[in-house]
Amino acid sequence: KAGVTQTPRYLIKTRGQQVTLSCSPISGHRSVSWYQQTPGQGLQFLFEYFSETQRNKGNFPGRFSGRQFSNSRSEMNVSTLELGDSALYLCASSFSGGEQFFGPGTRLTVL
Amino acid sequence: AQSVAQPEDQVNVAEGNPLTVKCTYSVSGNPYLFWYVQYPNRGLQFLLKYITGDNLVKGSYGFEAEFNKSQTSFHLKKPSALVSDSALYFCAVRDEGLTGGGNKLTFGTGTQLKVEL
Repeated sequence: KAGVTQTPRYLIKTRGQQVTLSCSPISGHRSVSWYQQTPGQGLQFLFEYFSETQRNKGNFPGRFSGRQFSNSRSEMNVSTLELGDSALYLCASSFSGGEQFFGPGTRLTVL
Repeated sequence: AQSVAQPEDQVNVAEGNPLTVKCTYSVSGNPYLFWYVQYPNRGLQFLLKYITGDNLVKGSYGFEAEFNKSQTSFHLKKPSALVSDSALYFCAVRDEGLTGGGNKLTFGTGTQLKVEL
């Protein structure tokens, strides 16, 4: 099976812009979670989608949003980018409450 | 709220020697524990998990972990380290009591493992 894929792998934006990141889960996986990884804060949970519904949400401002499509692919959007949003954004998929399988991440740099 | 702690920022070990990366956890119910490894500029790779059952869990690449309920620990071990094991290791616990189930993981701060010749 193909692994979790994320596009794009690298992204450079300026403050105030918005960005959309994409994640394709492993075939058959219906749960997709998003995490932010920074040197200062480590790995932090953003949100989880299951069957096109947000099932859980972390402690991030409303500028961070996501959605899931009927084929389980997911996107996350960050509006009004801030310098502190620079991070590695990781997507993970799982079948049903089991271990999560992570994609390679999208490295976002905000200038 | 559940949490995990990785007390060591870095662990150095000589190739061929056994390695241990420490993790302690705090949960109110039964813990669901995981170890992941991250290589530079890569995502996280799953190594092993503890849900229930045997306290010694075997995982990928020769790694194993020992679950100790009385010490609330879940240390990662390998009998003989390889230079290629050098990477960043994360311990994680699956959050409890999530509405509608869920797969939220709370991660430790990570331990950098350096294996030298």
